[in-house]
Amino acid sequence: DAGVTQSPTHLIKTRGQQVTLRCSPKSGHDTVSWYQQALGQGPQFIFQYYEEEERQRGNFPDRFSGHQFPNYSSELNVNALLLGDSALYLCASAMTGQGAGNTIYFGEGSWLTVV
Amino acid sequence: AQSVTQLDSQVPVFEEAPVELRCNYSSSVSVYLFWYVQYPNQGLQLLLKYLSGSTLVESINGFEAEFNKSQTSFHLRKPSVHISDTAEYFCAVYFSGGYNKLIFGAGTRLAVHP
Repeated sequence: DAGVTQSPTHLIKTRGQQVTLRCSPKSGHDTVSWYQQALGQGPQFIFQYYEEEERQRGNFPDRFSGHQFPNYSSELNVNALLLGDSALYLCASAMTGQGAGNTIYFGEGSWLTVV
Repeated sequence: AQSVTQLDSQVPVFEEAPVELRCNYSSSVSVYLFWYVQYPNQGLQLLLKYLSGSTLVESINGFEAEFNKSQTSFHLRKPSVHISDTAEYFCAVYFSGGYNKLIFGAGTRLAVHP
């Protein structure tokens, strides 16, 4: 049973460009969340998708957007990249309906470097 | 406001010595508590969690954490560390009604020296 998978693992973009990161949740999971982890910091919640809709959002600008597909996979899009967007982007999945009793699983992350 | 504070950014320790990594939280609602570990250039792995019941929870690799509601703390301890425990440790809190959203502390870098 594959866990949470993310792609690409590493990428380099130029300021002003756009990037799309992808995530496939663990089998059986229907909720996908995205986190940004800047160097030397803890992960920060970006947003969460459930039933193909954004259910809640952290303190991130509209340049950050996402999508969830019918198969529960998800994309994170960042427009007009800034140097400060350089970070590890983590995808997490869970099964709705069990509250905190279910375990939240994280992928290995996508390392984004903006130059 | 809901927040998580890890009081030490770095903890150096010698191999086989005991260690405690501190975590405090602030919340007006019920919480569920987690410790995650991150090895260099890797994602997050769940180390242990407290949901309910016994306030002392243990992991399979010798770590334990105790939930103290009165002190709003969830400190992580290990009686004897190994070189392989060198990693970044994150305390995370799920606040009741939070739809599987975790709030993380800034992390504590545990460096185990021979």
